[in-house]
Amino acid sequence: QQQVKQSPQSLIVQKGGISIINCAYENTAFDYFPWYQQFPGKGPALLIAIRPDVSEKKEGRFTISFNKSAKQFSLHIMDSQPGDSATYFCAASGHTGGFKTIFGAGTRLFVKA
Amino acid sequence: EADIYQTPRYLVIGTGKKITLECSQTMGHDKMYWYQQDPGMELHLIHYSYGVNSTEKGDLSSESTVSRIRTEHFPLTLESARPSHTSQYLCASSPGLAGVNEQFFGPGTRLTVL
Repeated sequence: QQQVKQSPQSLIVQKGGISIINCAYENTAFDYFPWYQQFPGKGPALLIAIRPDVSEKKEGRFTISFNKSAKQFSLHIMDSQPGDSATYFCAASGHTGGFKTIFGAGTRLFVKA
Repeated sequence: EADIYQTPRYLVIGTGKKITLECSQTMGHDKMYWYQQDPGMELHLIHYSYGVNSTEKGDLSSESTVSRIRTEHFPLTLESARPSHTSQYLCASSPGLAGVNEQFFGPGTRLTVL
C-alpha cells in the first residue's frame, strides 16, 4: 500500500516534443506529490509538486496532472530540451508513515537535439 | 540552493576499514534521511530520523548505523566496509509538514570499496 509505481523506465524524446511520465499510488492518505529531477553526479532536486485538492499545476514548461479517483498523476514536459535530459522521480508522502517520502523507481529521459 | 552538506564527496577505501559519512543541514529540519543509490537508479531509504536521539532503519537493509545527537548533524558509519557497499549515499532533510514535505538533498558521497 506504500508503493508508488512509475513508468516508463526510460524515454527518448525529440527536441521540442512532449515528455510524459506516469505514476500511480495506492495509499489514499498521501497528501503531497512531488516530482524530483536528478542530473548525473548530483542529488535529486524538487521540480514541481501538487496537493490532492487540485487537478493540475503548471510551472513554466512543466505540468503535473492529478487524478485523485484513479490514484494517478503524471508529469508533462512541453517543448522538451536537451537540458531536460535527466532522471525524474515521482514521489508521495503524507502524515501516515511519519512523513516518509515514497519514491518511484525513476525515469531516465533523453532529449535528442 | 539547499543548505545541506555531505563530506567527503568521493571516497575510495580498502575492505575492512571503518568509515563515517558526514551530513549537516542548516535549515533546522527535524527529519533527516539517508538513501543508497546506484547511479541513475532507484533511491533506497536505509535510515531516517525524526529528531534528536531518534533513528529508524529504512526499507533497505543496511549494515551501516546512524546517530542524531544534534538536529543539524546526521552521520552514517560503516564499521567494516566491503565491496558490496560500493554505491552513492545521499543525505536529505525535510520539514515534515502536512501537505508540504519537500526533501532537500545533499550532493551525495560516492563510495568505492576495493
